[in-house]
Amino acid sequence: EDKVVQSPLSLVVHEGDTVTLNCSYEVTNFRSLLWYKQEKKAPTFLFMLTSSGIEKKSGRLSSILDKKELSSILNITATQTGDSAIYLCAVRPNFGNEKLTFGTGTRLTIIP
Amino acid sequence: GAVVSQHPSRVICKSGTSVKIECRSLDFQATTMFWYRQFPKQSLMLMATSNEGSKATYEQGVEKDKFLINHASLTLSTLTVTSAHPEDSSFYICSAGTEDYGYTFGSGTRLTVV
Repeated sequence: EDKVVQSPLSLVVHEGDTVTLNCSYEVTNFRSLLWYKQEKKAPTFLFMLTSSGIEKKSGRLSSILDKKELSSILNITATQTGDSAIYLCAVRPNFGNEKLTFGTGTRLTIIP
Repeated sequence: GAVVSQHPSRVICKSGTSVKIECRSLDFQATTMFWYRQFPKQSLMLMATSNEGSKATYEQGVEKDKFLINHASLTLSTLTVTSAHPEDSSFYICSAGTEDYGYTFGSGTRLTVV
């Protein structure tokens, strides 16, 4: 059974700090790893990672995949209160079915 | 690309009635859509995979007769919660996407059964 573990479960930091969120996975025949941000409603897509070692960046957010370590990190620099959310990591296996397996998420709280 | 629309965003219904939730892919065709359920402070739980033109695939423990899924076209999947009870109250989210655009979610439906 595919498994995704995120850490920490929750994190509270001050505005301006940099945070690193972790995601490790066990999946049969890995295809891609995805990061989502969930605020009050449904998750919004952040990154999709398929290749190891290639950083994806969007503004203050960046993410990288390490297939050897079966893990990924999501970095947020110069955090703002609007970054407060649950960050979800999901993996997709490579056998035709697009089913995603989600981690439990990291609840990030940014204190002004 | 890969915009998914879900409707309604919020519904309150009486116990014993049925509720239909729609999920539409607006700018792409989705042969497969996914239905999730999310309890407070918990992650997404996949309920079923909706396949266009064929029967949905349900996850273990999900009652297919209670959560009816219809995927009649490449842009529309519906989830009907039949004979709803208070324990069915939850946040239901659909998802679809492509490898190129990633997987996007509908805005979710907050179901409250009274």
